[in-house]
Amino acid sequence: QQQVKQSPQSLIVQKGGISIINCAYENTAFDYFPWYQQFPGKGPALLIAIRPDVSEKKEGRFTISFNKSAKQFSLHIMDSQPGDSATYFCAASVVGGAQKLVFGQGTRLTINP
Amino acid sequence: NAGVTQTPKFQVLKTGQSMTLQCAQDMNHEYMSWYRQDPGMGLRLIHYSVGAGITDQGEVPNGYNVSRSTTEDFPLRLLSAAPSQTSVYFCASMTIRGDNEQFFGPGTRLTVL
Repeated sequence: QQQVKQSPQSLIVQKGGISIINCAYENTAFDYFPWYQQFPGKGPALLIAIRPDVSEKKEGRFTISFNKSAKQFSLHIMDSQPGDSATYFCAASVVGGAQKLVFGQGTRLTINP
Repeated sequence: NAGVTQTPKFQVLKTGQSMTLQCAQDMNHEYMSWYRQDPGMGLRLIHYSVGAGITDQGEVPNGYNVSRSTTEDFPLRLLSAAPSQTSVYFCASMTIRGDNEQFFGPGTRLTVL
């Protein structure tokens, strides 16, 4: 049973466009929602994270939007660049359990120049 | 700081063989975790540790053992390898004094024939 469902599985965006990746979760005890970025042959690296007490968090071109009532959150990449081409994972964890992340299935993002 | 290191980078085993995947971190992090990454499944937690001498099971622990005798090292043992354990394995560490960021190693790609 996948507790965090991520879509789409793959995404192609033109340079300068907006990339949007969506995640939905089931466990209402989740209280920490990070996004990880992974380049080929590398381990995942934290990109941005949010807690459910805010509806949006922005860091540079990356924004997380969070909808607690719908149990959904999404990653928006503005002005997408070829260097953003990577696999993106959403994840979630419960209070005090950030070392036990539950990951989504991943989205392979390709930015065409 | 080397961060989180994993050895070997690649490994091929025959069914029934045993081996140990090594993981070390030099950041004095209290928490360490092992994940496996499979296509379309994201990353799934195998085992984790909240400190030396303390380990617990994650989502997919069967067929794997761990121990944590020091803060720095967290080896993962495959007792009798099976083709279903073909995967990419990532070790991660995290400090309880930080903002919940897990730092991942570069991974070990394991093939079981």
